[in-house]
Amino acid sequence: EADIYQTPRYLVIGTGKKITLECSQTMGHDKMYWYQQDPGMELHLIHYSYGVNSTEKGDLSSESTVSRIRTEHFPLTLESARPSHTSQYLCASSESWGGGTEAFFGQGTRLTVV
Amino acid sequence: GQQVMQIPQYQHVQEGEDFTTYCNSSTTLSNIQWYKQRPGGHPVFLIQLVKSGEVKKQKRLTFQFGEAKKNSSLHITATQTTDVGTYFCAGPKTSYDKVIFGPGTSLSVIP
Repeated sequence: EADIYQTPRYLVIGTGKKITLECSQTMGHDKMYWYQQDPGMELHLIHYSYGVNSTEKGDLSSESTVSRIRTEHFPLTLESARPSHTSQYLCASSESWGGGTEAFFGQGTRLTVV
Repeated sequence: GQQVMQIPQYQHVQEGEDFTTYCNSSTTLSNIQWYKQRPGGHPVFLIQLVKSGEVKKQKRLTFQFGEAKKNSSLHITATQTTDVGTYFCAGPKTSYDKVIFGPGTSLSVIP
C-alpha cells in the first residue's frame, strides 16, 4: 500500500480564494510530482521536485506554485482560484523517477471553483 | 520535445475478447512503465520494462518493449470486467529525465 496522502479529497471553493492542496509521503522519496487531470483525460505534469529546495515547472503551464521545505511534504498553492482551475490534482512520488522505480500516486484532490 | 502517443484512445470489447494498446515515443526511452487508472481512481503502477525487446507477463497481461526502445505494447488476453480503466504508458528519455505520460487508452468491457 502506497504511503502518500493528499488532502482534501474534495474541495469546492469560490473564485478569488487562496487554496493549498496538501501532499505528504512517508516513504522518504526524493522525487515528487503534481499532475493535473481532467476526467478521463491525460495526466499533465505541472510541477516536480527532485529534493528539498528543488522545484521545477512541468510541461503544462500552471498558475499554481509549490514548495519543498521538507522531504515528505510538497504542497501546491493557488493564490486566486478561478473556474478554469477546476480539475483533479494528483500528487506522486518516487525513489528514483528517471532511474526507473515506480511512482506512487495519492488519491487526488478534486477541485471545483465556482 | 519528447512526445509519447498511445493508440487507440478508446476501446470497447466484449468480455472474453483480447485487447491491445500501443505506446509510441518520438525519442528512445530509458525505460517504460505502465499504469492502470480505474474510473474515479488514481494511477497504479503495473510494470516496468528496461531492456530492448523485453517481454514480461502478469497473468493475463503481456507487456513488450520494442527493439529500438521507442515503442511498447500491453496485451490483455480474455478481458474481464475488472480490466476496465485507462492504461497509461510512461517513460523518460534518459534515466535522469522526468517521465512523460502518454494520453492513455480507455478500456470498456461489455459483460
